[in-house]
Amino acid sequence: QKEVEQDPGPLSVPEGAIVSLNCTYSNSAFQYFMWYRQYSRKGPELLMYTYSSGNKEDGRFTAQVDKSSKYISLFIRDSQPSDSATYLCATYSGGYQKVTFGTGTKLQVIP
Amino acid sequence: DAGVTQSPTHLIKTRGQQVTLRCSPKSGHDTVSWYQQALGQGPQFIFQYYEEEERQRGNFPDRFSGHQFPNYSSELNVNALLLGDSALYLCASSLRDSGLWEQYFGPGTRLTVT
Repeated sequence: QKEVEQDPGPLSVPEGAIVSLNCTYSNSAFQYFMWYRQYSRKGPELLMYTYSSGNKEDGRFTAQVDKSSKYISLFIRDSQPSDSATYLCATYSGGYQKVTFGTGTKLQVIP
Repeated sequence: DAGVTQSPTHLIKTRGQQVTLRCSPKSGHDTVSWYQQALGQGPQFIFQYYEEEERQRGNFPDRFSGHQFPNYSSELNVNALLLGDSALYLCASSLRDSGLWEQYFGPGTRLTVT
């Protein structure tokens, strides 16, 4: 079983839709939860990170972490064609430990 | 403010050869991590360097080695290349005191092994 599971998609939505991207993880030691956006043939770009459980909002993006169910979500409101990319969730327990990524979900927002 | 830079952009090597990839971290950052990203997969952690020492290593064979220089730049070396080493190699930098939750990636080096 992978430490972080993510549906690879692809996910196709119309412009303006609310997008929900999700991951599950197995290691209860993970404390930090990150979302990255990766455009084709580019390096991942950090969108936001959350410590422990709870919500965090940044513009059209909202990250949610439920540690009791080991579930991570990213919501994108009013999705735009420029949001079309692969979204990677990642987890980290702190210190010198490694960051573990999901496989990424490919999102396409259709004008 | 320059972000993370990597060189070269693309590389084609033959099985059995050796390759060296280079990374310059974001200004002010002191920690460098290397990742391998196969097509359609998420980045897989190779190793992390801080204060010129390897601090953490992922599940990669000893053919993968690295180095960090006093100016915090880093190299990734891969010996005896296999076809399965073909991937995008990503370098990420961070500030040790801030933690790895806030790391910034370079554009990557795309390695093709034939």
